[in-house]
Amino acid sequence: GQNIDQPTEMTATEGAIVQINCTYQTSGFNGLFWYQQHAGEAPTFLSYNVLDGLEEKGRFSSFLSRSKGYSYLLLKELQMKDSASYLCAYIGTYKYIFGTGTRLKVLA
Amino acid sequence: DVKVTQSSRYLVKRTGEKVFLECVQDMDHENMFWYRQDPGLGLRLIYFSYDVKMKEKGDIPEGYSVSREKKERFSLILESASTNQTSMYLCASSFTYQPQHFGDGTRLSIL
Repeated sequence: GQNIDQPTEMTATEGAIVQINCTYQTSGFNGLFWYQQHAGEAPTFLSYNVLDGLEEKGRFSSFLSRSKGYSYLLLKELQMKDSASYLCAYIGTYKYIFGTGTRLKVLA
Repeated sequence: DVKVTQSSRYLVKRTGEKVFLECVQDMDHENMFWYRQDPGLGLRLIYFSYDVKMKEKGDIPEGYSVSREKKERFSLILESASTNQTSMYLCASSFTYQPQHFGDGTRLSIL
């Protein structure tokens, strides 16, 4: 089967650090992706993990543990423009399975 | 930069019409996808294609068909539009097991 979960909503303060978790269950796994989606716009690619560990890209980092079926996206030095939905997705065989997204609100 | 272009940003059609949504990508990606996105339901896969003239059903193919006659173009067809097909439609493309790149989306309203 295919199952992927992430929190529906999170709130954080400008300048803070926030961690968005994602858990998944799948019999076939070929990588995990994080996307950012602003309201009314298309998702844009943020990060990709295929092996266990941390991938860092500027203010954004993503972590993967394949044995635990767990990933997180870490956003540092939050800015108002980071208010958006964050989608995690894994790829099985050809198909990408998306979570429903975590809506992040950044408060001044 | 990868460019995925969808033919319309906004479209209004009537119930029963045949509707065509076009998607073109310029990065020679072998894989192309059509999703719909509805509030609270996330991205749901309608159809995908991993090669020219190949197509595979996604999770919600009913009421839709697709066509991929050329590698760069993937068309979604609503055979007889219904009000429950009002949604945001997103096209994406990728190399195998690589990040997807999305078009800007088509907000389709069926009246």
